[in-house]
Amino acid sequence: DVKVTQSSRYLVKRTGEKVFLECVQDMDHENMFWYRQDPGLGLRLIYFSYDVKMKEKGDIPEGYSVSREKKERFSLILESASTNQTSMYLCASSSSGTDTQYFGPGTRLTVL
Amino acid sequence: EDQVTQSPEALRLQEGESSSLNCSYTVSGLRGLFWYRQDPGKGPEFLFTLYSAGEEKEKERLKATLTKKESFLHITAPKPEDSATYLCAVQAVGSNTGKLIFGQGTTLQVKP
Repeated sequence: DVKVTQSSRYLVKRTGEKVFLECVQDMDHENMFWYRQDPGLGLRLIYFSYDVKMKEKGDIPEGYSVSREKKERFSLILESASTNQTSMYLCASSSSGTDTQYFGPGTRLTVL
Repeated sequence: EDQVTQSPEALRLQEGESSSLNCSYTVSGLRGLFWYRQDPGKGPEFLFTLYSAGEEKEKERLKATLTKKESFLHITAPKPEDSATYLCAVQAVGSNTGKLIFGQGTTLQVKP
């Protein structure tokens, strides 16, 4: 079974803090994705990566950066957290062969 | 612009009352259509992938079908445990990075 894990299920941070969200997949997938999900807005793509050290902006990259130093790990960084970044963050991975995305359990981030 | 629209937004059924969820899509060319189930506070769980018009996939009480413009998720004799949000996503031809376009989802509630 594909397994995607995220470093925290719940996280509370203060405005202005630097926040790291980690995602690890164990299926040797080439592609990895970071989404945020908010009520009424659905899933919105923040960044994705199709190879180690490669990254592309999604639909809402402002205020975020990413890092992919190893194939299995994809990190989302909030350089200076703001209250409007309070959200559910979801990581996903997929193989270039099938394109089916498999999701992690999510991290509910609250910025106070 | 590539787009996915799901209807209805919310659906309430009595246990055993069959119904269908709709996913309409507009893409330049369809590479694949994906259905996911999402329980509250959790990451989406993959259900089906459909690739070409006329294709059907089944899993327990769920059956997904695909035409050139839309997909249906048929739920036969639903049970309360089928209550969840169902997400539809498409991948366009020419997308070689695995990027998916998600709909807003249909929230299904099945009452005993």
